[in-house]
Amino acid sequence: DAGVIQSPRHEVTEMGQEVTLRCKPISGHDYLFWYRQTMMRGLELLIYFNNNVPIDDSGMPEDRFSAKMPNASFSTLKIQPSEPRDSAVYFCASSRLAGEPWNEQFFGPGTRLTVL
Amino acid sequence: GQNIDQPTEMTATEGAIVQINCTYQTSGFNGLFWYQQHAGEAPTFLSYNVLDGLEEKGRFSSFLSRSKGYSYLLLKELQMKDSASYLCAVRAYNTDKLIFGTGTRLQVFP
Repeated sequence: DAGVIQSPRHEVTEMGQEVTLRCKPISGHDYLFWYRQTMMRGLELLIYFNNNVPIDDSGMPEDRFSAKMPNASFSTLKIQPSEPRDSAVYFCASSRLAGEPWNEQFFGPGTRLTVL
Repeated sequence: GQNIDQPTEMTATEGAIVQINCTYQTSGFNGLFWYQQHAGEAPTFLSYNVLDGLEEKGRFSSFLSRSKGYSYLLLKELQMKDSASYLCAVRAYNTDKLIFGTGTRLQVFP
């Protein structure tokens, strides 16, 4: 299995521009999570989906952030307009509903976003 | 509210034993996780505790006390490759999401 795939791996943009981050979860996984990681705040959950449906978006910082999951194999996280304080590493993770009780989350390699 | 506390940094010597503590206050409890994250890489799953007691996996062990809201990760026979951040995360009851602590950066010296 290829694992969770994220693109791009690095993104540098200017304040005010639209940014789109992409994620392909592991095939057969029912859950997809978007996280943001910074030195100050650590790893924060932004939103998660179950069977392509958003379940909890309480971590989405503001209306500039939106996420979609049009099908089981693809999700996007969009920031419009971007601001310097959005600079962080954004991780996507997926997990299965069934299986081990700990419902292990498998993380993608992350997208390092820098907003100038 | 939900709060997870871990020490920010720890250092240890190769071959030694180190214990990384985690205390938590959450709305309900349905499992505690430890993840390892090497610099510039993604977190990877290490261990899971949902009942009180010790879970052992090779050189790594994780302990949980639900009444005290406390866990620790024990690393034995430290190796240089164990230098990484260790993240404690809690899953609240009736949810699928994890709340992560800010992580403990462990440096292992020769």
